[in-house]
Amino acid sequence: DAMVIQNPRYQVTQFGKPVTLSCSQTLNHNVMYWYQQKSSQAPKLLFHYYDKDFNNEADTPDNFQSRRPNTSFCFLDIRSPGLGDAAMYLCATSRDPAYEQYFGPGTRLTVT
Amino acid sequence: GQQLNQSPQSMFIQEGEDVSMNCTSSSIFNTWLWYKQEPGEGPVLLIALYKAGELTSNGRLTAQFGITRKDSFLNISASIPSDVGIYFCAETGTASKLTFGTGTRLQVTL
Repeated sequence: DAMVIQNPRYQVTQFGKPVTLSCSQTLNHNVMYWYQQKSSQAPKLLFHYYDKDFNNEADTPDNFQSRRPNTSFCFLDIRSPGLGDAAMYLCATSRDPAYEQYFGPGTRLTVT
Repeated sequence: GQQLNQSPQSMFIQEGEDVSMNCTSSSIFNTWLWYKQEPGEGPVLLIALYKAGELTSNGRLTAQFGITRKDSFLNISASIPSDVGIYFCAETGTASKLTFGTGTRLQVTL
């Protein structure tokens, strides 16, 4: 089945220790998104790639970076995680920004 | 900026009851999406609506795109325990991103 996969599902990192979350898709969608979600709030968009074009949200901290080496994979790098970065991180894809997005199962990040 | 007002904020219902929730906006949209999110999981797309007045069903779920293009509702018929979760409306709008509603938390009791 075509799907969005996120690894790992749970990640524990230490304060200030860089961490990378990964996302892959078999949908062959052009757009890949990264969201941050905290405690029953709606997901908050961090950035997205439309093909190779990177689009950062204005309020996304510099601490968050992303890479998309090919159509199928996208990575979220948190350079120096703080306690406030503990959250669920969701990856999503769509064939075009005007269309529906499909989400992965998420990675729960804990910062100790 | 665009805002989606979703109501009710939470619902406690008995198994077998019908559920109705809605989203309204101050802006006109081209797309309405309804997602369900269970604890510890990502949102799952339930229904996508692309035309004003469109009424779409997915099993026990029915959603409609309001004729004014500023609102949408989601109905769940004959609720069951696995319907528990948070339901989000969303729209694709402009600037290549989703705007989410505030969510409706649904609890189903036996």
